Amino acid sequence: AQSVTQLDSQVPVFEEAPVELRCNYSSSVSVYLFWYVQYPNQGLQLLLKYLSGSTLVKGINGFEAEFNKSQTSFHLRKPSVHISDTAEYFCAVYHQGGSEKLVFGKGTKLTVNP
Amino acid sequence: EAGVAQSPRYKIIEKRQSVAFWCNPISGHATLYWYQQILGQGPKLLIQFQNNGVVDDSQLPKDRFSAERLKGVDSTLKIQPAKLEDSAVYLCASSLDRDDEQYFGPGTRLTVT
Repeated sequence: AQSVTQLDSQVPVFEEAPVELRCNYSSSVSVYLFWYVQYPNQGLQLLLKYLSGSTLVKGINGFEAEFNKSQTSFHLRKPSVHISDTAEYFCAVYHQGGSEKLVFGKGTKLTVNP
Repeated sequence: EAGVAQSPRYKIIEKRQSVAFWCNPISGHATLYWYQQILGQGPKLLIQFQNNGVVDDSQLPKDRFSAERLKGVDSTLKIQPAKLEDSAVYLCASSLDRDDEQYFGPGTRLTVT
């Protein structure tokens, strides 16, 4: 069965520090991969997505992620975080030709401290 | 372009009562999704519509949950009767078509006491 594992439930960092939020998935077929951000009391907003092509994907707000097929990972990174990046981040996978629905991880709460 | 609209934003009910949520997708979007997000978890797909037809409702608890999208535009999700474990945020999303990017509404936070 398809699944998404976000290895850290909470990540505290200081402002201007780099951050990496980890995501691993399980799948036997080709996938599309996504990172969403959810601010308090709001819906999900797409940060970036990998469909095909270059394995390094750049998104909004200075975030980027790298697709690693051999390690079945899609980790999210930002070289320097701001207080405003404090939010919940969700990794999601869409299986092509499979169940054809988005499966989300449990989320990582990023807290940026001054 | 207007986003996905949902109402109400918050709802508190007692167990065994019924409740309904409404969603208006982005204009022209053929695919509509309802997700349940329990505290501390990622969203879980409950039902997916393509126009006014159901594509996937495999994770919808059909003994108490129902959803419709009669005219292929807005949609209603109903719970009857509600249980304590139904406390969650219910998110609606829409996409231009299947496989396209999903846009999420702000959600309805349901508390069942």
